[in-house]
Amino acid sequence: GQNIDQPTEMTATEGAIVQINCTYQTSGFNGLFWYQQHAGEAPTFLSYNVLDGLEEKGRFSSFLSRSKGYSYLLLKELQMKDSASYLCAVKDSNYQLIWGAGTKLIIKP
Amino acid sequence: IAGITQAPTSQILAAGRRMTLRCTQDMRHNAMYWYRQDLGLGLRLIHYSNTAGTTGKGEVPDGYSVSRANTDDFPLTLASAVPSQTSVYFCASSDGESDTQYFGPGTRLTVL
Repeated sequence: GQNIDQPTEMTATEGAIVQINCTYQTSGFNGLFWYQQHAGEAPTFLSYNVLDGLEEKGRFSSFLSRSKGYSYLLLKELQMKDSASYLCAVKDSNYQLIWGAGTKLIIKP
Repeated sequence: IAGITQAPTSQILAAGRRMTLRCTQDMRHNAMYWYRQDLGLGLRLIHYSNTAGTTGKGEVPDGYSVSRANTDDFPLTLASAVPSQTSVYFCASSDGESDTQYFGPGTRLTVL
C-alpha cells in the first residue's frame, strides 16, 4: 500500500528553527510537495522537490532523499503566524497526489 | 474571480437529500480535483478530471459523482447524502508543469 508518515504535532519557540519530517512509501515517485494549512483554511503551496537535495525559499527550505524515501521541511526564524498544519504529499506513478495526515505546528512565544 | 471559488461555504443537510457542491476556476487549468478532509486523515481524493469532458475516480468515489462540461466548472454531487459524508470538501486545480495544485476555500458539509 501507499503510505506517508509525518509527526502528528510539534511545538517550537518563536524565533527558533524547526524541522518537520516526512517519510513515504508509494507506488512510484514523481515529486514531493509541502503545503501549509492554517486552521479553517485551504492548503497553500510551499515547495516542490523532484530531485535530491535542498530547495531554499526564504525562511523555508525543503530537502529530499529519494533513495531513503524521506523529506523534511525546515522553518527558520519562526513567527507566530507559522502556527499551522504542514502537509506532505507525494505524486505517485499515476501522477496522483498521496497526502500525509499533516503535522500541526504550535509556536510558543 | 481570481483563483478557485467554491459554494456554498457551509451547509447542513438532512440525510437522503441530494446536494451539489460548486467549484469554479479562472486559471484555465486543465486538471481539477475534489478532496475530502477529515480530522486525523490526509486529504483523500474523491474524483478528478484531467481535462474538460473526462473524469476519473479517486480513492473514495462511492456516493459521489462529478461532471466536467467545460474547463472552468467541476461540480460534485451527492445523490443521497449520508452522515459519513460529513466533512470539509476542497476543490483544487493544477497547471500542466509541476502539477502544483491550488485549492479553493472549501465547503464544510454536515449531514444529519
